[in-house]
Amino acid sequence: GQNIDQPTEMTATEGAIVQINCTYQTSGFNGLFWYQQHAGEAPTFLSYNVLDGLEEKGRFSSFLSRSKGYSYLLLKELQMKDSASYLCAVRDSNYQLIWGAGTKLIIKP
Amino acid sequence: IAGITQAPTSQILAAGRRMTLRCTQDMRHNAMYWYRQDLGLGLRLIHYSNTAGTTGKGEVPDGYSVSRANTDDFPLTLASAVPSQTSVYFCASSDGEGSETQYFGPGTRLLVL
Repeated sequence: GQNIDQPTEMTATEGAIVQINCTYQTSGFNGLFWYQQHAGEAPTFLSYNVLDGLEEKGRFSSFLSRSKGYSYLLLKELQMKDSASYLCAVRDSNYQLIWGAGTKLIIKP
Repeated sequence: IAGITQAPTSQILAAGRRMTLRCTQDMRHNAMYWYRQDLGLGLRLIHYSNTAGTTGKGEVPDGYSVSRANTDDFPLTLASAVPSQTSVYFCASSDGEGSETQYFGPGTRLLVL
């Protein structure tokens, strides 16, 4: 079966750095996405990785290792507004997105 | 404002009733999707459409139907609602080019009693 694993919840301090991990087992791989979802709102796109390595976009970076079936999202200089759920999704061989359950990130002052 | 709209925002529905959730996008995206999101689970694909006139079944299609008469609209119909269909429903679209990032509507919160 297809599976995306992420931690259920993480807590971090304002101004710090946090790494959210995602491991996957899917039938084929055609890219990995990270989305942010604030409570009661729609998911919004953060990053896309299809090749191994690190993609940096401001305070957010995303890393991919296809051989290990592993990705992480790195958030730097955490702000209170970063409190949200972070969703990992993999596009499989049918070009459909398989979604993880999401990681709820709690930022404390 | 470009984007995806969904209606209604929320709804309480008696079991056995028929309900259509509406979704409209103005980005001229080819592909559209319907997901449901339940606590503790990832987004699950109900139905999708790669282009106007075509539809396909996702992971959890039973009890739902869709149509894609034109590029902009992708309604989701529950023929006879059951309590297990209580969920938050998100419509999404993608342009079908490059990374095919999906863009989401604001969601419809449905409670079936």
